[in-house]
Amino acid sequence: GAGVSQSPSNKVTEKGKDVELRCDPISGHTALYWYRQSLGQGLEFLIYFQGNSAPDKSGLPSDRFSAERTGGSVSTLTIQRTQQEDSAVYLCASSGRGNNEQFFGPGTRLTVL
Amino acid sequence: GQSLEQPSEVTAVEGAIVQMNCTYQTSGFYGLSWYQQHDGGAPTFLSYNALDGLEETGRFSSFLSRSDSYGYLLLQELQMKDSASYFCAVRDNYGQNFVFGPGTRLSVLP
Repeated sequence: GAGVSQSPSNKVTEKGKDVELRCDPISGHTALYWYRQSLGQGLEFLIYFQGNSAPDKSGLPSDRFSAERTGGSVSTLTIQRTQQEDSAVYLCASSGRGNNEQFFGPGTRLTVL
Repeated sequence: GQSLEQPSEVTAVEGAIVQMNCTYQTSGFYGLSWYQQHDGGAPTFLSYNALDGLEETGRFSSFLSRSDSYGYLLLQELQMKDSASYFCAVRDNYGQNFVFGPGTRLSVLP
């Protein structure tokens, strides 16, 4: 597609359930980023991928969070045993090699009841 | 570690000029980016400074002083549609990761 896409756009889940969030980056973009944004707050870095590998996982808040990227394209962010504090908008972005601009997807709004 | 500071809110009137500052402390530095985010929307790229000085793109200009660990975004001829949050972001010394500031919420009044 022309831009970064994310699915689902909205996800409501119960505390303790697992969720998977998907990101489809712009074709050919080697770098992929995941961020979390709570209402009215800044972007909290979670993880980034260069190709299929993740040089920096330092932002993952706990071991309940994991992410993978396959084929240098689609990425999945998984949150296990969700907690209410996980409620936020999860944003994905991609950028091309040597490119300083990140292109953001529309985000997934996660609500944990 | 890395940290960035931005004023939380700025208010200005249509047609005016506004400057939004960003100071940073990083273990390494590649460049400073600026993003705009409207309520409910995704961040969109505005500018990137790797070297000291002013970069201009239409009504938007961005400035960087690496010796002062400081930058700003300048918006001229403000329009109502410029009301949004503006984030600065530092590209770290390893070249690919970006750390975002807390953002400045700009309100443009008629």
